[in-house]
Amino acid sequence: QSVLTQPPSASGTPGQKVTISCSGSNTNIGNSYVYWYQQFPGSAPRLLISGNNQRPSGVPDRFSSSKSGTSASLAISGLRSEDEADYYCAAWDVTLSVSWVFGGGTKLTVL
Amino acid sequence: QVQLAESGGGVVQPGGSLRLSCTASGFTFRRYGMHWVRQAPGKGLEWVAFIRDDGSKKHYGDSVKGRFTISRDNSKNTVSLQMNSLRPEDTAVYYCAKEIGLDVWGQGTLVTVSS
Repeated sequence: QSVLTQPPSASGTPGQKVTISCSGSNTNIGNSYVYWYQQFPGSAPRLLISGNNQRPSGVPDRFSSSKSGTSASLAISGLRSEDEADYYCAAWDVTLSVSWVFGGGTKLTVL
Repeated sequence: QVQLAESGGGVVQPGGSLRLSCTASGFTFRRYGMHWVRQAPGKGLEWVAFIRDDGSKKHYGDSVKGRFTISRDNSKNTVSLQMNSLRPEDTAVYYCAKEIGLDVWGQGTLVTVSS
C-alpha cells in the first residue's frame, strides 16, 4: 500500500490530453514539492517534473504538473506513442520520521 | 556528464548480507544528498534510504530499518548500502539517485535473495 495514491492505469489516443492524479496528505504533498518520474520497461526512472513544476533539460513542455492542497496531477498534452510508460509521483513525508514516498505508479497506454 | 553507477548486486541466501556501491561522476558529489530506491520485479518504486551531503543524517524506509545501513565516502565519490539479514522480499533492482528530487539515477543493480 503506497502512501501516495495513483490510479493504476490511464489511457488516451494520440493528440489527446491525459491527466494522472496523485493523492496524499498534509504530511507529504500538503507540505512538500511533488516530483514526477517516467519509467520505460527495463530502464531506470527519469525525473520528469521537479518541485515548482520545473522540467529538466530534454523534457518537452507537453508535460506539466499542478498541486492543490494534498493532491497533485501530471498532465500530458498532445499525447504521443512514445509517452507510453509508467509514471510515478513522489514527495518528502515528515511524520515522526522523515521519508521519501512514492505513488504506486500509473501505467499509461497510448491507444 | 552527470553519472551514477551501481555495483555489488548478486544472488544471496536468506539471512545473508550484501554491500552495494554507487560511484558518482560529473558533479560535486559532497554537495548532494543521495538516495537508494528499489523496485521488485513487476512492482513499483520503493524508497530505501537517504543520506545527507555530509553524512550527518540518515533516514530509512520502515521495511529496511535496523537491517540496512547507508554510508558515503566523499573522498571517493561513493555511497554504499550495507544490507544484512536479507529476506526474499528484498529481491529487487536497487538504484542510487541524487538529490535534489532524485534528478539523476543509476542504471540499477539486481539483488536476488533466494535459497
